[in-house]
Amino acid sequence: QSALTQPPSASGSPGQSVTISCTGASSDVGGYNYVSWYQQHPGKAPKLIIYEVSKRPSGVPDRFSGSKSGNTASLTVSGLQAEDEADYHCSSYVGDNSWVFGGGTKLTVL
Amino acid sequence: EVQLVESGGGLVQPGGSLRLSCAGSGFTLSNYWMHWVRQAPGKGLVWVSRINSYSDGSSTSYADSVKGRFTISRDNAKNTLFLQMNTLRPGDTAVYYCATTNSHAFDIWGQGTMVTVSS
Repeated sequence: QSALTQPPSASGSPGQSVTISCTGASSDVGGYNYVSWYQQHPGKAPKLIIYEVSKRPSGVPDRFSGSKSGNTASLTVSGLQAEDEADYHCSSYVGDNSWVFGGGTKLTVL
Repeated sequence: EVQLVESGGGLVQPGGSLRLSCAGSGFTLSNYWMHWVRQAPGKGLVWVSRINSYSDGSSTSYADSVKGRFTISRDNAKNTLFLQMNTLRPGDTAVYYCATTNSHAFDIWGQGTMVTVSS
């Protein structure tokens, strides 16, 4: 199972919106509504911020939103804040009790 | 407080073995699907292995890269998850996280334990 494709970096100024893509195939992203997104600050464990493509766990600000079109999922961070600077990882269930992650995207708040 | 705490990482020579532990507190591990996920230095996350909940039969699955070398298991009495890693390779060098899934999303993570495979 190949890793999902994410851009290595993304950036935006405070208050702006930024969208990070996560491209897979019909066997993973396109085939299941089990795409999730994680925020990871340096030296810390990942934190779940989006599950089932667009749902937010309790406590995650509504500035974070997710969507999917075909084989590509997207994470949008609106109203960028300094504390949003982190690595973001996508993941998809791929069936047969297996999961795949993307390579991660480093988000810089300018 | 719900918490996962990994231990057992360290430096090991190629071909060696290591056993990682993941102790749960605040909840019962056997009621959840449990996973190991690893992250090589400066790289992305990689799913390694999973074990079903006790009620789902505790079946297991592995990434192709570790199949036949790694074994996931659980001690329900100790509320602890394990990862037995044999025939280690330099490419296995990573921080290893244990995590639970809910609706196929990894929702509770430990802090990670570093494994370095080097001579």
